[in-house]
Amino acid sequence: KAGVTQTPRYLIKTRGQQVTLSCSPISGHRSVSWYQQTPGQGLQFLFEYFSETQRNKGNFPGRFSGRQFSNSRSEMNVSTLELGDSALYLCASSLTANYGYTFGSGTRLTVV
Amino acid sequence: GENVEQHPSTLSVQEGDSAVIKCTYSDSASNYFPWYKQELGKRPQLIIDIRSNVGEKKDQRIAVTLNKTAKHFSLHITETQPEDSAVYFCAAIGSGGSNYKLTFGKGTLLTVNP
Repeated sequence: KAGVTQTPRYLIKTRGQQVTLSCSPISGHRSVSWYQQTPGQGLQFLFEYFSETQRNKGNFPGRFSGRQFSNSRSEMNVSTLELGDSALYLCASSLTANYGYTFGSGTRLTVV
Repeated sequence: GENVEQHPSTLSVQEGDSAVIKCTYSDSASNYFPWYKQELGKRPQLIIDIRSNVGEKKDQRIAVTLNKTAKHFSLHITETQPEDSAVYFCAAIGSGGSNYKLTFGKGTLLTVNP
């Protein structure tokens, strides 16, 4: 079966711009969560959605937001980009978010 | 919330030796503990996981042990091969505000020398 698909794979943006990243989960998975990976902070949780509802949110500023659609696809948005937002953004899908997370290949965001 | 500590941060072994990576967690209600392998430039891949009602789980050369009393769990890789070289992450799913999310350790860079 198809894995978790993230688009785009790479992005270069300028400070102050906004960006939208997309994630299509494994078919049948209703939970989608997002993580930020940086060399200094490791893997940090952003938020999790299940059936279009955000069930948990990490400690990130309000510039980071997300949503989930009825087909379980999810998007995350970062507004007013800062240099420190440069990172690999990973999406993971799961049946219920209590086990069995599969990660996508990520979107590498570079803010210049 | 949940906090996961992982040690060591780097580990170098000779091919054929065993490797052990240890993690501790803070939330006694945590109930799911996966391990991920991430090769350079690639996505984290689940290699083994364990639930809180099980003490040990094996899959070929890989095993995970869980000590709920001490709140720690470990990854054991036997007969290591050069292709085992990667960064390994432990994680836990906690309760309450730590539910529905993986809290990760900082990772262990494993190098297997031929």
